Amino acid sequence: GAVVSQHPSWVICKSGTSVKIECRSLDFQATTMFWYRQFPKQSLMLMATSNEGSKATYEQGVEKDKFLINHASLTLSTLTVTSAHPEDSSFYICSARGGLAYYEQYFGPGTRLTVT
Amino acid sequence: DQQVKQNSPSLSVQEGRISILNCDYTNSMFDYFLWYKKYPAEGPTFLISISSIKDKNEDGRFTVFLNKSAKHLSLHIVPSQPGDSAVYFCAASDSGSNYKLTFGKGTLLTVNP
Repeated sequence: GAVVSQHPSWVICKSGTSVKIECRSLDFQATTMFWYRQFPKQSLMLMATSNEGSKATYEQGVEKDKFLINHASLTLSTLTVTSAHPEDSSFYICSARGGLAYYEQYFGPGTRLTVT
Repeated sequence: DQQVKQNSPSLSVQEGRISILNCDYTNSMFDYFLWYKKYPAEGPTFLISISSIKDKNEDGRFTVFLNKSAKHLSLHIVPSQPGDSAVYFCAASDSGSNYKLTFGKGTLLTVNP
């Protein structure tokens, strides 16, 4: 139980284009979903928090117009990187809160984005 | 200000022995504590959690101990297996911040055959 998927697992796009990443909770309803970006030494930086049907809350320093988050249902959240640039190349990971214990978070496998 | 600290960047143990990973926190508002295992280029895998109303939680080979007065928790893995080799992250959250996780910097566990 408590499985979270991400799609795609990797994507290459050209500078200036937009890319959408999906995050789904497969066997539970996610009250809250989170989006992270991975940095060196595997540390994770929280980008934003989203609750179903509400606007996402972005962390300080994260451009909300660049990283669009939509949480349309209790099982799906999407992150759209708009007008991507090479510096946006990174490993993006989502997590979902819910399942058996309301405070537990389960992570997706991640999406590798490369902007050329 | 690092609110969750894992002071040991690495730990090496022999297969079959106990692995003890430690974590300290400073924010007394934290209610929930979680341990994750992570490999490069993968999302963290949830291992075990504990809420602040408990002092111990056990799941198979994994046991988490919480000492609230010392603001300290530990993860015990018994017996350790080579497949346990990974980076382990301690994380904490509280309901007031929408359960956002605050992570430690991780401990690289190596289990030698």
